[in-house]
Amino acid sequence: KAGVTQTPRYLIKTRGQQVTLSCSPISGHRSVSWYQQTPGQGLQFLFEYFSETQRNKGNFPGRFSGRQFSNSRSEMNVSTLELGDSALYLCASSLTGAYGYTFGSGTRLTVV
Amino acid sequence: KNQVEQSPQSLIILEGKNCTLQCNYTVSPFSNLRWYKQDTGRGPVSLTIMTFSENTKSNGRYTATLDADTKQSSLHITASQLSDSASYICVVSANTNAGKSTFGDGTTLTVKP
Repeated sequence: KAGVTQTPRYLIKTRGQQVTLSCSPISGHRSVSWYQQTPGQGLQFLFEYFSETQRNKGNFPGRFSGRQFSNSRSEMNVSTLELGDSALYLCASSLTGAYGYTFGSGTRLTVV
Repeated sequence: KNQVEQSPQSLIILEGKNCTLQCNYTVSPFSNLRWYKQDTGRGPVSLTIMTFSENTKSNGRYTATLDADTKQSSLHITASQLSDSASYICVVSANTNAGKSTFGDGTTLTVKP
């Protein structure tokens, strides 16, 4: 079966712009979570959506937002980009949010 | 504060050798502990998942152990291969929600021929 698909794979944006990243979970998975990974900070939890509702949120500013659609696909939006937002953004899906998560390959965002 | 500490930070071994990576945690209450392998520029791939009642779990040449009393886990890699070069991340969850997971900073393993 298809894995977790994230698009685009690479993205270059300018400071002040906004960006939207997309994540298509494994078919049937209802939980989608987002993470930011940087060399200095490791994996940091952004938020989790389950059945179109945000269930958990990490400690990130309001510039980071997300949503989940009825088909469980999820989008993450970052407004007013800063240089420090440059990172690998990972999405993971799970059937219910319990135990194992399957990660996508990530979107590499570079802010210049 | 929930924390997950991994050691060593980095490790270099020769192909064919065994190695053991450590994970100590202070996450409470404990739900499960997962080990992931992450190749450079790719997403993490699950190796093992262990709950409170499990103290050993294997996945091919990877064997994870869990001591819930001392809050320690280890990942043992047997007969290492060049493809084992990656970052290994320990994740401990306080419950079944993604938001209650605490990630370690990972151990970077390099296997040399």
